[in-house]
Amino acid sequence: AQRVTQPEKLLSVFKGAPVELKCNYSYSGSPELFWYVQYSRQRLQLLLRHISRESIKGFTADLNKGETSFHLKKPFAQEEDSAMYYCALRDNTDKLIFGTGTRLQVFP
Amino acid sequence: EAGVAQSPRYKIIEKRQSVAFWCNPISGHATLYWYQQILGQGPKLLIQFQNNGVVDDSQLPKDRFSAERLKGVDSTLKIQPAKLEDSAVYLCASSLVRGLYNEQFFGPGTRLTVL
Repeated sequence: AQRVTQPEKLLSVFKGAPVELKCNYSYSGSPELFWYVQYSRQRLQLLLRHISRESIKGFTADLNKGETSFHLKKPFAQEEDSAMYYCALRDNTDKLIFGTGTRLQVFP
Repeated sequence: EAGVAQSPRYKIIEKRQSVAFWCNPISGHATLYWYQQILGQGPKLLIQFQNNGVVDDSQLPKDRFSAERLKGVDSTLKIQPAKLEDSAVYLCASSLVRGLYNEQFFGPGTRLTVL
């Protein structure tokens, strides 16, 4: 079964601390994975995708096929990073399968 | 900026009533998606259109939900009759292309409360 698992509902850190939001997936084919973010009172938006292999707002994510993971990392969290983060997998029908999301709180 | 528009933003109805949501995608986007997001969960795809044709409606509860995109632009999603478990945020998204470089752009959502 195709599934995306985000084990943490809430992650709280202080400003300047490293952040890692966990994402594991289950998919029989070649996965295409994304991180979406929703800031307070804003709409859901794409943060990054694994095929781009880029850093957005200091965040990076590496696809680990052996561990079926796509964890989102940032070395130094900022208060403006506080938001809801969703990991998503695109299947071969173009459908996005989302995880349940992790709320990141960055305290000053 | 011109993004995906949805209306209404909020709707409260009683169970067994009907309700309709409207979505206007980004101009030129051929693909349109409706997602249901129940509190505490991630969005779940209900239906996907390519122009005015249905690509995937496998997770749409067809006994009560219906959707259309008659002219390949705007879309409406209807629930008739509503149940308590339909309380959720209904998100519309659109994308320019399908496939590898597909980026879905989301609307603000319609929050439905069924009493």
